[in-house]
Amino acid sequence: QSVLTQPPSVSGAPGQRVTISCTGSSSNIGALYDVHWYKQLPGRAPQLLIYGNNNRPSGVPDRISGSKSGTSASLAITGLQAEDEADYYCQSYDSRLSVVFGGGTKLTVL
Amino acid sequence: EVQLVQSGPEVKKPGESLKISCKGSGYSFTSYWIGWVRQMPGKGLEWVGIIYPGDSHTRYSPSFQGQVTIAADRSISTAYLQWSSLKASDTALYYCARHGGIVGATDPLDYWGQGTLVTVSS
Repeated sequence: QSVLTQPPSVSGAPGQRVTISCTGSSSNIGALYDVHWYKQLPGRAPQLLIYGNNNRPSGVPDRISGSKSGTSASLAITGLQAEDEADYYCQSYDSRLSVVFGGGTKLTVL
Repeated sequence: EVQLVQSGPEVKKPGESLKISCKGSGYSFTSYWIGWVRQMPGKGLEWVGIIYPGDSHTRYSPSFQGQVTIAADRSISTAYLQWSSLKASDTALYYCARHGGIVGATDPLDYWGQGTLVTVSS
């Protein structure tokens, strides 16, 4: 049972928009700690996708965005492409547990 | 170019000890926290703990406290994750990653090693 809750899977057709939610609590996301998002391709190490709730590292396209409100955060991907098929993880800090991850969401491009 | 290069795969028996490594290059190794993350087969990411190579200050996830030891040798820009007595349940892929900021645990993990597969089996 992860401290941050994500849907196990989401899917969308090419060109569509999908969102992945990340629900926390008052000791992590709700305590104003930043949320970061990672993308993991099969057999590869995770890579940073969004940091500080809504900032993109160099090289991440602007069709990928993050947001945060209250005790939740979301990752949005527009113009879905085959290369977006991967596992996605949210991560934050918890005042009781330190670094915490979501359970991960598998994105399938139909 | 920032790089974290981890040691190779390991196959061990229950009860054996193990130390895996993570060598940083392309940045000031002593100025950024290094975290360790476990990924069990087919499962998600779990944070193990963190070390600041500048002074070897460490913090552990409550789930891993007492089960592993994190260390660093700043003279060779290398962080370590070690076990004194492995269990079959330690079988997993272990990643090191750099916390890319000055605070540490609240900063994003901006660079990752390639992972070290640890297999514990009798």
